[in-house]
Amino acid sequence: DSGVTQTPKHLITATGQRVTLRCSPRSGDLSVYWYQQSLDQGLQFLIQYYNGEERAKGNILERFSAQQFPDLHSELNLSSLELGDSALYFCASSVVGAVQETQYFGPGTRLLVL
Amino acid sequence: GIQVEQSPPDLILQEGANSTLRCNFSDSVNNLQWFHQNPWGQLINLFYIPSGTKQNGRLSATTVATERYSLLYISSSQTTDSGVYFCAALYSSASKIIFGSGTRLSIRP
Repeated sequence: DSGVTQTPKHLITATGQRVTLRCSPRSGDLSVYWYQQSLDQGLQFLIQYYNGEERAKGNILERFSAQQFPDLHSELNLSSLELGDSALYFCASSVVGAVQETQYFGPGTRLLVL
Repeated sequence: GIQVEQSPPDLILQEGANSTLRCNFSDSVNNLQWFHQNPWGQLINLFYIPSGTKQNGRLSATTVATERYSLLYISSSQTTDSGVYFCAALYSSASKIIFGSGTRLSIRP
């Protein structure tokens, strides 16, 4: 158990809908990362937050947004969902988000868009 | 653009065998990570290794930054080593982490 929790574990929804994925980092970790793993695109870094502020941005679509709240949990919002958004979404956390830090991964949320 | 390539894509070995996984990257990196994704989908960070060699039990990794490659060694393989191994390059200038496509390792009992 990494100490990072993600909810829900599974999500099935329809095209055009909007969903919110939630991540709680390990106790004491200030930085949160979001990743997407799909069959065609592989593993992709989406976005990183540190103490409520966006720190780095990867291949995150404009239809997607994220935020980190004062209690340090993070939410990833996916809107106008398409079939191709079906993927496993991982959240990870680290202490201060430095490049040399270990990132601890949550179990993921598996999203299926029908 | 920046590319991270892993080889081989698939590897099937008997328990007890040794293996070497390779990761080539196309540009100078700030850091290089190796991950293991087990058959249940869990991702575990194995090494941060921008250069040099690190060891953790039966696993070790070497990165030769000047030649833009990293190697992951697994000795005396066990069935629990099965899964997909990813390397990821960190480029702070681009504020992004780029993953390779992975090596799928299957260890047969």
